[in-house]
Amino acid sequence: EAGVAQSPRYKIIEKRQSVAFWCNPISGHATLYWYQQILGQGPKLLIQFQNNGVVDDSQLPKDRFSAERLKGVDSTLKIQPAKLEDSAVYLCASGGRYQLKTQYFGPGTRLLVL
Amino acid sequence: GQQLNQSPQSMFIQEGEDVSMNCTSSSIFNTWLWYKQDPGEGPVLLIALYKAGELTSNGRLTAQFGITRKDSFLNISASIPSDVGIYFCAGRLIQGAQKLVFGQGTRLTINP
Repeated sequence: EAGVAQSPRYKIIEKRQSVAFWCNPISGHATLYWYQQILGQGPKLLIQFQNNGVVDDSQLPKDRFSAERLKGVDSTLKIQPAKLEDSAVYLCASGGRYQLKTQYFGPGTRLLVL
Repeated sequence: GQQLNQSPQSMFIQEGEDVSMNCTSSSIFNTWLWYKQDPGEGPVLLIALYKAGELTSNGRLTAQFGITRKDSFLNISASIPSDVGIYFCAGRLIQGAQKLVFGQGTRLTINP
């Protein structure tokens, strides 16, 4: 079974630029999560999708972050405009219908904002 | 927001030693998960706990779901070099949106 795929793996941008990350979850997984992991900290949930609907986006900075999962499969997370404090690893995770209590993570996208 | 206090923050041990780490919170959880994260990779699930008092093993790893549902611990026996990494606890709150809340991580370093 293929794991969660993410791209790009690394991205360096200047502040005020925009950036987008892509995630393809494990086949058949209805739930998709985006996490932000700042260096030295645990992951923090940004947004959770169930199929193509948003379940929780309470910690998503909506003035600059947006995410979509149009067809209930893959997803994109966008930052516009980026700030220095957005430098972090952005992790995507997915969970199946009968795996509500566990999540499987992708390798992450490392973002550096200069 | 909700917070998990994970300790210790870092550990430096000799190969072959046993390791113990724990997570505590003021909130009640219905699930505890333990993950390991290697450099440049996402967290990988080690053990999942679903019931208060549950004790579960995965090879040399043993984890327990605290009776109060506010804590959990992870033990690693007879550590080996590949155990090096960062270990995270994560809890799913019993109320609210049921999102996972992560601890700050325990960085394990092993001297051969």
